Amino acid sequence: DAGVIQSPRHEVTEMGQEVTLRCKPISGHNSLFWYRQTMMRGLELLIYFNNNVPIDDSGMPEDRFSAKMPNASFSTLKIQPSEPRDSAVYFCASSFSGITGELFFGEGSRLTVL
Amino acid sequence: EDQVTQSPEALRLQEGESSSLNCSYTVSGLRGLFWYRQDPGKGPEFLFTLYSAGEEKEKERLKATLTKKESFLHITAPKPEDSATYLCAVQAMEYGNKLVFGAGTILRVKS
Repeated sequence: DAGVIQSPRHEVTEMGQEVTLRCKPISGHNSLFWYRQTMMRGLELLIYFNNNVPIDDSGMPEDRFSAKMPNASFSTLKIQPSEPRDSAVYFCASSFSGITGELFFGEGSRLTVL
Repeated sequence: EDQVTQSPEALRLQEGESSSLNCSYTVSGLRGLFWYRQDPGKGPEFLFTLYSAGEEKEKERLKATLTKKESFLHITAPKPEDSATYLCAVQAMEYGNKLVFGAGTILRVKS
C-alpha cells in the first residue's frame, strides 16, 4: 500500500511568492494533519481535519497560511506571501479516526524561502 | 514551560551498549503517550502507544515503559541501524486530540 504522498519534496522560492504544498493521505484514513518541523521549535501541529472538515487550526501561524481538504484523498497547505521564516520541513500525516495518536507521516516537503 | 521534555538531547552508544531514553511530561489528563522514530530526511514512524502507568510495550530491541510522570525507551544491545531521532508525543485532555511532541533524542550507535 502506498503511504502518505507529499509533493513537492523540495521547494525553493523567493520571499513574497505563493507556495502550495500537496498531500494525498492513506486511503481509508479520515483524519489528516499538517505539521511543521524546525530545529528551533521541533514538530508543531498547524491544522488537522476530520472527515475533510477542519477541526483545529489554532496552530496556523498567521493569515498567510491556509489549508484545504476538498475531498478525502487530497489536501493543500498554501502560504501567501511566503517569508524566510517560513523555511521548514512541512509534514502531512493521516490516521484512522479514533486512533489519532498513531499517525502515518509522509516524507515531508522541505521549503526554503530566500 | 515545555510540557514534554526529552533527555538526553543526543546519545552516542557503542554497538551492544544498552541504554535508556527519557520522556517526561507535565500535562494533566493524559490520554496516551506515543514513541516515534525519525530517520534523516524522512517523516516520523510510529513505534508504540502507552495509555496507563505500568504499561510496557516491546518491539525487537526496544521496550517502552510508562509511569505517571515519564516514559522510558529502553534499547537493548543496540545496532547501528537503530541510529535515528526518537520522538515522544503526548495526547492529553487539555489539548483535545492533538499530539504535542518533544524535541527528540538523537541516537548514534557505532559499530
